[in-house]
Amino acid sequence: GAGVSQSPRYKVAKRGQDVALRCDPISGHVSLFWYQQALGQGPEFLTYFQNEAQLDKSGLPSDRFFAERPEGSVSTLKIQRTQKEDSAVYLCASSSRAHQPQHFGDGTRLSIL
Amino acid sequence: GENVEQHPSTLSVQEGDSAVIKCTYSDSASNYFPWYKQELGKRPQLIIDIRSNVGEKKDQRIAVTLNKTAKHFSLHITETQPEDSAVYFCAAPWTGNQFYFGTGTSLTVIP
Repeated sequence: GAGVSQSPRYKVAKRGQDVALRCDPISGHVSLFWYQQALGQGPEFLTYFQNEAQLDKSGLPSDRFFAERPEGSVSTLKIQRTQKEDSAVYLCASSSRAHQPQHFGDGTRLSIL
Repeated sequence: GENVEQHPSTLSVQEGDSAVIKCTYSDSASNYFPWYKQELGKRPQLIIDIRSNVGEKKDQRIAVTLNKTAKHFSLHITETQPEDSAVYFCAAPWTGNQFYFGTGTSLTVIP
């Protein structure tokens, strides 16, 4: 596609519900990143995929967070039993390979009530 | 993890003046340093990047300088315009996979 696409753009959920956020990277991009961005802060690394392999998940804040990229293209970030502190913008970025420019999606703004 | 410090957190300049934002990093093995511009409610957009084998890179009014010895890199915007107003983030890699972002600089260009 022309750019990184994320859906939904906005998600409101009640505390305790599960949510799933989708990222469609630029076609052919090997590397895919998920970031969490709190208001007024820089993006914080969550996890990294190279093709379908999740090579680094050290940034995931708890075991309630889970990400997958089963076919090496579309990725899903799932948050189980959401908490208020999960409210943030979740950004996805892709690059042609490691240490190449990352292109960001518009993000999903998650609000937990 | 990588420690990326960014200064200043806010910056106001008169239109036409220059703006400089500085970042320091801790991992001496880091070799790629991008700068992103983020307008309110929008995605971060890459505006310039530099690799460790060069000391400076320019693109029209924007330049980035890198001092590997001191482990810092700076964004320079000349002849600032109101549309340059945004939040700017630097970033540096860690362990090859992670990227750590600075805390951002809110730039306001006063017409």
